[in-house]
Amino acid sequence: QKEVEQDPGPLSVPEGAIVSLNCTYSNSAFQYFMWYRQYSRKGPELLMYTYSSGNKEDGRFTAQVDKSSKYISLFIRDSQPSDSATYLCAMSVGPGANNLFFGTGTRLTVIP
Amino acid sequence: GAGVSQTPSNKVTEKGKYVELRCDPISGHTALYWYRQSLGQGPEFLIYFQGTGAADDSGLPNDRFFAVRPEGSVSTLKIQRTERGDSAVYLCASSLNRGAGNTIYFGEGSWLTVV
Repeated sequence: QKEVEQDPGPLSVPEGAIVSLNCTYSNSAFQYFMWYRQYSRKGPELLMYTYSSGNKEDGRFTAQVDKSSKYISLFIRDSQPSDSATYLCAMSVGPGANNLFFGTGTRLTVIP
Repeated sequence: GAGVSQTPSNKVTEKGKYVELRCDPISGHTALYWYRQSLGQGPEFLIYFQGTGAADDSGLPNDRFFAVRPEGSVSTLKIQRTERGDSAVYLCASSLNRGAGNTIYFGEGSWLTVV
């Protein structure tokens, strides 16, 4: 069993829809949770970063962490075609960026 | 440039050959990371440098893989006796220090194909 599980999709939604992306994990020691966006043939770029459980909102993006269920989510409101990308969840035990554990990524397409 | 720069962007090599992949981090960033991303997978950690020293090389898959950062800036990932299973995107990232994940910046990767 992988430490981080993520549905690879693909996921297609119409423009303006609310998108929900999710990951589950098995290591209860994970404390730091991140969402990255990766466009085709580009490196991942950080979207959201949260520590421990709770919600965090940044513009159209909301990240949720439920440590009791070992489940994290990213919501995208009013989705745009420019949101079309692969979304990777990542998590770590400590704050350092070495040894981040990534999900496989969910490929999202927002249809105009 | 402003971002993490990686060269070559693409490399095709024959099985058994030696390859070097270069990473030029953001100026002033002391922490440098190498990750490997296979097709359809998320990145997997390989090695982390703080300054010139490899602070964590626990992700290197075997002794065919080696990385250096002799002057604390540019890093080179070296792969000996390449195998077809080494085909992947090799991502370099840097951060100002060994801080929280929100300071890490990835390059566009070096796409390695071993034939």
